Amino acid sequence: DTGVSQNPRHKITKRGQNVTFRCDPISEHNRLYWYRQTLGQGPEFLTYFQNEAQLEKSRLLSDRFSAERPKGSFSTLEIQRTEQGDSAMYLCASSLRSGGAYEQYFGPGTRLTVT
Amino acid sequence: AQSVTQLDSQVPVFEEAPVELRCNYSSSVSVYLFWYVQYPNQGLQLLLKYLSGSTLVESINGFEAEFNKSQTSFHLRKPSVHISDTAEYFCAVSEVTSGSRLTFGEGTQLTVNP
Repeated sequence: DTGVSQNPRHKITKRGQNVTFRCDPISEHNRLYWYRQTLGQGPEFLTYFQNEAQLEKSRLLSDRFSAERPKGSFSTLEIQRTEQGDSAMYLCASSLRSGGAYEQYFGPGTRLTVT
Repeated sequence: AQSVTQLDSQVPVFEEAPVELRCNYSSSVSVYLFWYVQYPNQGLQLLLKYLSGSTLVESINGFEAEFNKSQTSFHLRKPSVHISDTAEYFCAVSEVTSGSRLTFGEGTQLTVNP
């Protein structure tokens, strides 16, 4: 299967700890996106990369959040000094331009619980 | 900036009944429109999309959606639902010019009962 993969699938951490999530996109896709989804809500955009360049960041992405995509392949999302409000599902998607649009394909997500 | 409103948070229906999940959007620029489906404990899957051309688009499993520019709507319909269609459905838009971020609605939980 060559879909988008995310690791870990679940993470439980204590408030104040740092966590890092990894996303491996579909191999030929040049764009990679991060979203956050809380219970009962639709996903909210956090940031996206084209190749290794981070082109846009949402205001939701506070200073405690940082994302990287070295070499334009996999990406990591790090949250420093986690807070209970960070508990959510973190979704990664990748895309390639098709028919004029970038169709995004999502991974299974990483569920973060901050205790 | 864009926004998406899904008018029903929950839609319960009986098997083989028709269903319509409503989606309205607001945007100052041209947008592409998408419906995603999320089955329990699974990731988001693209169900169908409107990019240009015919305003009626169809999926392989019998869903269809119609883009109505004057009403800024993109409602999802199926003439006869199955229990396996039980899932959360999300409507989303992205700007034509940048094609970057997706803006999602809050989702509609479709529950098909026997």
